[in-house]
Amino acid sequence: AQTVTQSQPEMSVQEAETVTLSCTYDTSENNYYLFWYKQPPSRQMILVIRQEAYKQQNATENRFSVNFQKAAKSFSLKISDSQLGDTAMYFCAFMKLGNAGKSTFGDGTTLTVKP
Amino acid sequence: GAVVSQHPSWVICKSGTSVKIECRSLDFQATTMFWYRQFPKQSLMLMATSNEGSKATYEQGVEKDKFLINHASLTLSTLTVTSAHPEDSSFYICSARDASGGAYEQYFGPGTRLTVT
Repeated sequence: AQTVTQSQPEMSVQEAETVTLSCTYDTSENNYYLFWYKQPPSRQMILVIRQEAYKQQNATENRFSVNFQKAAKSFSLKISDSQLGDTAMYFCAFMKLGNAGKSTFGDGTTLTVKP
Repeated sequence: GAVVSQHPSWVICKSGTSVKIECRSLDFQATTMFWYRQFPKQSLMLMATSNEGSKATYEQGVEKDKFLINHASLTLSTLTVTSAHPEDSSFYICSARDASGGAYEQYFGPGTRLTVT
């Protein structure tokens, strides 16, 4: 079974600064997807970024980028130029290919962006 | 983009009654839908995987007779909490997988807050 660990229950960052959220996972699989989801106070889950394990290049979406270290089984999320709207709970998730889309979620990191 | 709706967004019911929550994929066909339960400030707990036209697959520890899931069409899955009790009060989230796409993304509904009194 896969496990996903987010070791930072809470983090804060000043507006316009950069913050990195950590995620590690444990799996014996070679082909899988990793995701970061954002859950703002509205509780609507929003996909932030996706990384395919077979791709060496780190995924980037505007101010959001990941540092994917496959050998170390690490998948951190970097948020640049933090904005107040980034305040949310962030979940790291793992999905094995061919697993009918079932994902394993980490416990989440609550990020607060301070003005 | 892919949109998933849930209805109702919140519901209050009395102990012992049943309540049905609907999950719809509005602009895509979802052969697979997932039902999650989430407690405040906690992660999503997968309850079951729902496949169109077949029985749902429940995660270990989830009572299938209490949480009835029906996936009658490619755009609709329902979760019925039967004989609800206060401990069933929670936030329930569905998600749907767009089977036509190559990516393994799941799109989430906005959630349903259930309060059992």
